[in-house]
Amino acid sequence: DAGVTQSPTHLIKTRGQQVTLRCSPKSGHDTVSWYQQALGQGPQFIFQYYEEEERQRGNFPDRFSGHQFPNYSSELNVNALLLGDSALYLCASSRASARNEQFFGPGTRLTVL
Amino acid sequence: DQQVKQNSPSLSVQEGRISILNCDYTNSMFDYFLWYKKYPAEGPTFLISISSIKDKNEDGRFTVFLNKSAKHLSLHIVPSQPGDSAVYFCAASDQSSGSARQLTFGSGTQLTVLP
Repeated sequence: DAGVTQSPTHLIKTRGQQVTLRCSPKSGHDTVSWYQQALGQGPQFIFQYYEEEERQRGNFPDRFSGHQFPNYSSELNVNALLLGDSALYLCASSRASARNEQFFGPGTRLTVL
Repeated sequence: DQQVKQNSPSLSVQEGRISILNCDYTNSMFDYFLWYKKYPAEGPTFLISISSIKDKNEDGRFTVFLNKSAKHLSLHIVPSQPGDSAVYFCAASDQSSGSARQLTFGSGTQLTVLP
């Protein structure tokens, strides 16, 4: 049973560029949440997708947007990249009936130069 | 404003002894708490959780204690093993976020178990 997968593993971009990160949830899961983990910090909630809609959003600007596809996979898009966007981006999946139990992928390490 | 705090950035314990990791929270709306373990270059791995209606939950070598009046929880690992060396995150789920159940994390504690 495949767990949560994310791609790419690493990414290097320059300021002002745009980036797209991808996530495939664990089998049987229908909800995807995205988190940003800066160096030395705990993960911070960005937003959550369910039934192809953004259901909840954390304290992140509109430069951060997402999408969920009919197969429950999800994308995170970040526009107009800033140096401060450099972080580990984590995807977590869960079932709508048990959203307390979130399973995380390995993350995408984004470096903005 | 940090709603979940792990005040010890690091902890070293001898193999076979008990490891105690602590976590404090300020939001009284939190009603579900989780501990995650994270190795370098991997995502957080779920370890154990506890609902606010309980004060203790045990799973093998891992036990989580919740003191609601003090807004404090702790993770006990007995006996500690070198493979337990990792960063441990405390997380809380907020009932006010409705069905979304977003997690609020602490900043983590690096546990090192010495052989």
